[in-house]
Amino acid sequence: AQSVTQLDSQVPVFEEAPVELRCNYSSSVSVYLFWYVQYPNQGLQLLLKYLSGSTLVKSINGFEAEFNKSQTSFHLRKPSVHISDTAEYFCAVSGGGGSNYKLTFGKGTLLTVNP
Amino acid sequence: NAGVTQTPKFQVLKTGQSMTLQCAQDMNHNSMYWYRQDPGMGLRLIYYSASEGTTDKGEVPNGYNVSRLNKREFSLRLESAAPSQTSVYFCASTLRDSNQPQHFGDGTRLSIL
Repeated sequence: AQSVTQLDSQVPVFEEAPVELRCNYSSSVSVYLFWYVQYPNQGLQLLLKYLSGSTLVKSINGFEAEFNKSQTSFHLRKPSVHISDTAEYFCAVSGGGGSNYKLTFGKGTLLTVNP
Repeated sequence: NAGVTQTPKFQVLKTGQSMTLQCAQDMNHNSMYWYRQDPGMGLRLIYYSASEGTTDKGEVPNGYNVSRLNKREFSLRLESAAPSQTSVYFCASTLRDSNQPQHFGDGTRLSIL
C-alpha cells in the first residue's frame, strides 16, 4: 500500500516571501508523484508531476518540486509567492503496489498569502 | 474544451432520499473516478472504473453505487442518503496509464439534512 503525508495543514506567509510545502510518501515500488492545486470552490488542477528523469520539476507559474528517493519526499517550493497563490495544495502518488490506476492523496496544505 | 463535467453543482437532500450524481468527460479517457472531499481528510476514493465495463471499490465505497454507462459517463448513486455523506464529490478521468495525471470536474456540493 502507498501513503502520502503532508506535514503542514496550514502555511501562512507574506507576499513575496519564499515558501515550502512538505510532502513525504511511502511505497515499496517505483512511484509517480504529483502536486495538485485547488482554488476556492473549484476542482483540482495539476500543478506539476514527476514521472522519471530529472528530479527537479517546474511549473509554468514559478513552483518547483524535487523528488528525493532516499528521503521519500517531494517538497513543493516557490521563491516568491503572490496573493493569487492562496489555495489548497495536494500531494499525490500513483503507480505503486499494483494500484496502477489510482491516486493516493495527502490531506492537503492550505497556503494563505497575506499582503 | 469542456473536460470533465459534473451535474448538479449543488444539492440538498433529506436523510433517506436517493440521488444520482452525473459525470461526463470528452477527452476519450479510459479510466474514471469518484472521490469525496471532507475538511482535513484530503480526497478519498469511493469507486473507480479502470475501463468501460469495469468498476471497483475504492477506500470508502459503503453507501454508494456506481455505473459506467459508456466510455464518457460515470455516475455515482446514493441509495439512501445519510448525514455522514454530506461532502463535496469530485469526478476525475485519465488515460489508462498510471503516469498520466487525472483531470477533475468542479465538484458537486451535497448536503444531507
